[in-house]
Amino acid sequence: DTAVSQTPKYLVTQMGNDKSIKCEQNLGHDTMYWYKQDSKKFLKIMFSYNNKELIINETVPNRFSPKSPDKAHLNLHINSLELGDSAVYFCASSQAGPGAEAFFGQGTRLTVV
Amino acid sequence: SQELEQSPQSLIVQEGKNLTINCTSSKTLYGLYWYKQKYGEGLIFLMMLQKGGEEKSHEKITAKLDEKKQQSSLHITASQPSHAGIYLCGAHPSGAQKLVFGQGTRLTINP
Repeated sequence: DTAVSQTPKYLVTQMGNDKSIKCEQNLGHDTMYWYKQDSKKFLKIMFSYNNKELIINETVPNRFSPKSPDKAHLNLHINSLELGDSAVYFCASSQAGPGAEAFFGQGTRLTVV
Repeated sequence: SQELEQSPQSLIVQEGKNLTINCTSSKTLYGLYWYKQKYGEGLIFLMMLQKGGEEKSHEKITAKLDEKKQQSSLHITASQPSHAGIYLCGAHPSGAQKLVFGQGTRLTINP
């Protein structure tokens, strides 16, 4: 049973395209996140949702739009992809509140050409 | 904003040797997490420390949080090839529902 699952695992696309990454968690957690890991392996928060409500948006370009249809899903849609968007994107979930362990998906490696 | 600095950034050790990775915070830590990442995979939770002076162990990995709660160390005893990967420390900035991470330490174990 995969706790946090992301699809696809790999995504290669051309500049200017629009793409989506899906994330689902079966842990019953209230909070979900999107993180971006750049080529230097630096992992940074992008968005955080709690019970389908956006609570953190870390100055991410508005080409990135998260959507949470229910608290078990948090999808990431990216418009007009740019070369600099190439990275590994991780979805995670946790119980609400600081101090809760975050469980991560296996990551989606996005390559924009 | 809270920042985490890990050292070293890269570490190569001979199999069987001990090693230590450090994580230093610019502010008091309210929960320090250690994760491990293998290439092409997600982050695997190792340990969480909350109290000053706390120490936890899992198999051959021991993590400590100092009394002032601004520095943590991860110690691996008798390293094995399975320990290879990227180790990341993470923390919650006070009151925030997110984790900030250090830049990671890439560990290579030579047979």
